[in-house]
Amino acid sequence: GAVVSQHPSWVICKSGTSVKIECRSLDFQATTMFWYRQFPKQSLMLMATSNEGSKATYEQGVEKDKFLINHASLTLSTLTVTSAHPEDSSFYICSARLLLAGRPNTDTQYFGPGTRLTVL
Amino acid sequence: GQNIDQPTEMTATEGAIVQINCTYQTSGFNGLFWYQQHAGEAPTFLSYNVLDGLEEKGRFSSFLSRSKGYSYLLLKELQMKDSASYLCAVRDRTGFQKLVFGTGTRLLVSP
Repeated sequence: GAVVSQHPSWVICKSGTSVKIECRSLDFQATTMFWYRQFPKQSLMLMATSNEGSKATYEQGVEKDKFLINHASLTLSTLTVTSAHPEDSSFYICSARLLLAGRPNTDTQYFGPGTRLTVL
Repeated sequence: GQNIDQPTEMTATEGAIVQINCTYQTSGFNGLFWYQQHAGEAPTFLSYNVLDGLEEKGRFSSFLSRSKGYSYLLLKELQMKDSASYLCAVRDRTGFQKLVFGTGTRLLVSP
């Protein structure tokens, strides 16, 4: 159980275009999902917290108008990189928070396989 | 804010035991996680500690001391496939229980 998928797994796009990345929790409902970015040989940096039915909460320094997040259902969050530039090339990873009612010890984030974005 | 420190790299031999340390400073501690990440892949969950003590899971064990702001991940009977990055992450009590990751420790297991 606790499987999270991401689509696409990799994408190459031209500078100035927009790219949408989907994150799905396949076998559980997730009211909270997280979006991370990881540059080579560096750790994960949280970009934003996505909450179903409300606006995302962005970390300091992350442009909300450039990285649009939509969490339309309990199993789907999307990240759209608008007007992508080469410096946006990175590994984007989502995670979904699993918390079973009455069982706080289950509160864990499960990660999707990641999306490698290359902007030419 | 949070500050999480791990060694950058470690090397060990197949069959040996290795301990990866993590120290943290945080204003709202609500659990510490260890993840394994192979190059080019997403992290996979290894362990979770919220109370002091040792949690054992097969070849992997994780220890937490909240008063010292310290945790370690112990890997026994090392295998070549254990070569990976190991990420220590602290969960923040505020802000939707987000995780803050350390820089990660790259472990290289040699024959």
